[in-house]
Amino acid sequence: GAVVSQHPSRVICKSGTSVKIECRSLDFQATTMFWYRQFPKQSLMLMATSNEGSKATYEQGVEKDKFLINHASLTLSTLTVTSAHPEDSSFYICSASRTSGGLTDTQYFGPGTRLTVL
Amino acid sequence: DQQVKQNSPSLSVQEGRISILNCDYTNSMFDYFLWYKKYPAEGPTFLISISSIKDKNEDGRFTVFLNKSAKHLSLHIVPSQPGDSAVYFCAASAYEQGGSEKLVFGKGTKLTVNP
Repeated sequence: GAVVSQHPSRVICKSGTSVKIECRSLDFQATTMFWYRQFPKQSLMLMATSNEGSKATYEQGVEKDKFLINHASLTLSTLTVTSAHPEDSSFYICSASRTSGGLTDTQYFGPGTRLTVL
Repeated sequence: DQQVKQNSPSLSVQEGRISILNCDYTNSMFDYFLWYKKYPAEGPTFLISISSIKDKNEDGRFTVFLNKSAKHLSLHIVPSQPGDSAVYFCAASAYEQGGSEKLVFGKGTKLTVNP
């Protein structure tokens, strides 16, 4: 149990376009979902935390108007990279938690989405 | 400023021997530490954790040691198995002023266990 999927797994887009990435918890209800970004040879960096039905909480330095997060249901969260630019090219990974206790509660990670912006 | 450091990008160990993965941190406010394992094309999976009030936590073949004075933790896998070959991430957590929680990951260490 506790499977998290992401779609798409890879996306290549032109500069200026918007890209939506879906994160789904397949067999459990995710009270909290997290979005991370990982640049090559760098650490996973938390971008934002979202709780179902409420606005996402963004980490310092992450533009909320650029990275739109919607957690519309207990099994789906979406990350939309608006007006993507080459510097947004990265590996985006989501995780889901059954609880709202925080980051150290068990997180189940998706397989990630590789975004390349030309 | 890298607050969680895994200085060895890779480690190679023979099957049956001990694997020791190291992690150093700089922020003395970190009070909870986690290890994640990641296979290619999959997301990280939680492996083991330790609170700062402990210096050791054991779960089967996996043991995490914490040395707070040295700001160092290590993950021991014994005996190592080929299926343990993966990237291992160390992560540290702290509550910041204002009550928000922070989780910082290291860059990971790629472990290869040779048959």
